[in-house]
This record gives sequence, structure tokens and C-alpha cells, in this order.
Amino acid sequence: NAGVMQNPRHLVRRRGQEARLRCSPMKGHSHVYWYRQLPEEGLKFMVYLQKENIIDESGMPKERFSAEFPKEGPSILRIQQVVRGDSAAYFCASSPESNQPQHFGDGTRLSIL
Amino acid sequence: DQQVKQNSPSLSVQEGRISILNCDYTNSMFDYFLWYKKYPAEGPTFLISISSIKDKNEDGRFTVFLNKSAKHLSLHIVPSQPGDSAVYFCATRGAGGTSYGKLTFGQGTILTVHP
Repeated sequence: NAGVMQNPRHLVRRRGQEARLRCSPMKGHSHVYWYRQLPEEGLKFMVYLQKENIIDESGMPKERFSAEFPKEGPSILRIQQVVRGDSAAYFCASSPESNQPQHFGDGTRLSIL
Repeated sequence: DQQVKQNSPSLSVQEGRISILNCDYTNSMFDYFLWYKKYPAEGPTFLISISSIKDKNEDGRFTVFLNKSAKHLSLHIVPSQPGDSAVYFCATRGAGGTSYGKLTFGQGTILTVHP
């Protein structure tokens, strides 16, 4: 009974490159959420997706960030032209319904050189 | 605008005693409250939750109390065990609409339980 799977666990990029973070939700979960944790801070909501739909993207930066959850395959968080300030831990969570507790993956730690 | 606050960055407790972690919130529209535990290099693990229509929920050694008038919730762990040492986050969720999926987290409290 696999939990939320995120890959890669660690990702190093140079400034200006693209970062792609993947998340496979728990079996039976169709609701996916992305959060970002900066050093010494709590988790901050970024985006909430259901299959093929973005439900709430109120936490997404206006530029360079995008997310998708296609009909087949994992959810992808994409960061274009990365900058040093994008260095953080990015967590994905999933739930079977929106009113159920969210279960988290172990995160992707993104480092920008 | 910090809507969820955990004012104690750290807490140290002796094994076997009670651990009490506190959380305050400002938005009266929050209707559901959760506690998560997080170990280093891992994702948060769901512990226990409470709906705004209740004032207490218990699950084994963990009890969450909600005081809506004070906009305050607390997590009690009794008896505390060394394996409980972790960062504890409270989180809240808004009522209905697109905010239903959005959790707002506090900054976390580092709990250390000494043998």
C-alpha cells in the first residue's frame, strides 16, 4: 500500500534551468496538492489539482511556475528559469476527497546553484 | 499575514509526562483543524484532526482540544515517548469553495522527549 511518491528526492539545477518535480498520489486518491517549505518556515500552499483540472492556484507565483495533473501519469510541478530563491523543499499531498486529511510524500529538495 | 501561529518554537518534556502543543488562528472561517508530525528529511505525517463542531477528539495517546471562542487549539500527548520527538505542525482549512483543499500551516514546534 504505497504512500505518496515524489521524485526525485533531491534535484540540483543551475540558475536559468528548468526544474520538474513529480508526484504520484496514493492509490484511490484523485486530489493532489503542492506545498513549499522554505528554510525555517512552515509549509505554504501552492496549488490544488484534481484530474486534468486546477481547482485552486492561489498560492502559485504568477510567473515561471505551473502545475498539471494529467488523466494518466503523475502530477508535475514545473519551474522555469529557476532562481536561487526557488531553493526549498517541495511537498506533494493527496486525498481521496477534498474534505479528507491530506497525506504527504517525503518531498523534493530543490537546490539552485 | 500569519493566520496560524505556533508561538513556541520548541518544547522539551520528560518521557512519561504530558506534552502540550499550542496553536492560535485568526480566521473564524476555518472549519477543520489538523495536527501533523514531521521527522527530518521526511514529509509530514497526519496525526489527528477535529471539526469546528467539536471541542475534543481523542485517538490513543493523542487528544486535540478546540476552543473556538479563543481561536485556539492544542495537542496533548500522554504519556510522551522519545519516539515522539519531531516537529509538530498545526494546520487549518477553510469552509467550502476552492479553499477547501488549501491547508494553512503554523511554523511548527520542535518537541524533544528526554528518556
